[in-house]
Amino acid sequence: DGGITQSPKYLFRKEGQNVTLSCEQNLNHDAMYWYRQDPGQGLRLIYYSQIVNDFQKGDIAEGYSVSREKKESFPLTVTSAQKNPTAFYLCASSTRPTGNKQYFGPGTRLTVT
Amino acid sequence: QQQVKQSPQSLIVQKGGIPIINCAYENTAFDYFPWYQQFPGKGPALLIAIRPDVSEKKEGRFTISFNKSAKQFSLHIMDSQPGDSATYFCAASTSSGSARQLTFGSGTQLTVLP
Repeated sequence: DGGITQSPKYLFRKEGQNVTLSCEQNLNHDAMYWYRQDPGQGLRLIYYSQIVNDFQKGDIAEGYSVSREKKESFPLTVTSAQKNPTAFYLCASSTRPTGNKQYFGPGTRLTVT
Repeated sequence: QQQVKQSPQSLIVQKGGIPIINCAYENTAFDYFPWYQQFPGKGPALLIAIRPDVSEKKEGRFTISFNKSAKQFSLHIMDSQPGDSATYFCAASTSSGSARQLTFGSGTQLTVLP
């Protein structure tokens, strides 16, 4: 089965702890993206990566970090500096950085208390 | 300049009705306009998309109407079914250097009553 996997589906953390969300794709896509979704709002871009070992900040990168050591993997770390980390996090990929179609994973719901 | 405004926030129709969701944008650099469908607890899935050189595109029961001069586009769902109940997002895309970025509307929660 080809697709994007995100794990875990639900994640709970205490305030002040860093947490890493996993995103893996076996679609052989070059570009990968992280979005945040809050109730009643659209998706907002956190970070994106066009190629291995390269990534750029999106609209709301503060308090987040990423790495892209392998083409298949694009983990997102939510740091303690992120003021409102509780949200639904979505990973996406596209065939190439200029590709129009973005395919989304099932998401991880993070709750920080 | 990067905003995409979507309305209504929620919509309830009877089975067989034709819900219409509207979006408006300001940035004339946008050159690709997709619609995504999202079911609860799932990631969005691409439904249909249009480029600004076309005024209408149909795929099955889903139609996008595009008005370039008004900078507006809309999604129509013909013969809507209860299984169409989901949240719908419009988006707009432009190249930023060597990468494309999507700007999303705030979403419309559609309920189709049986």
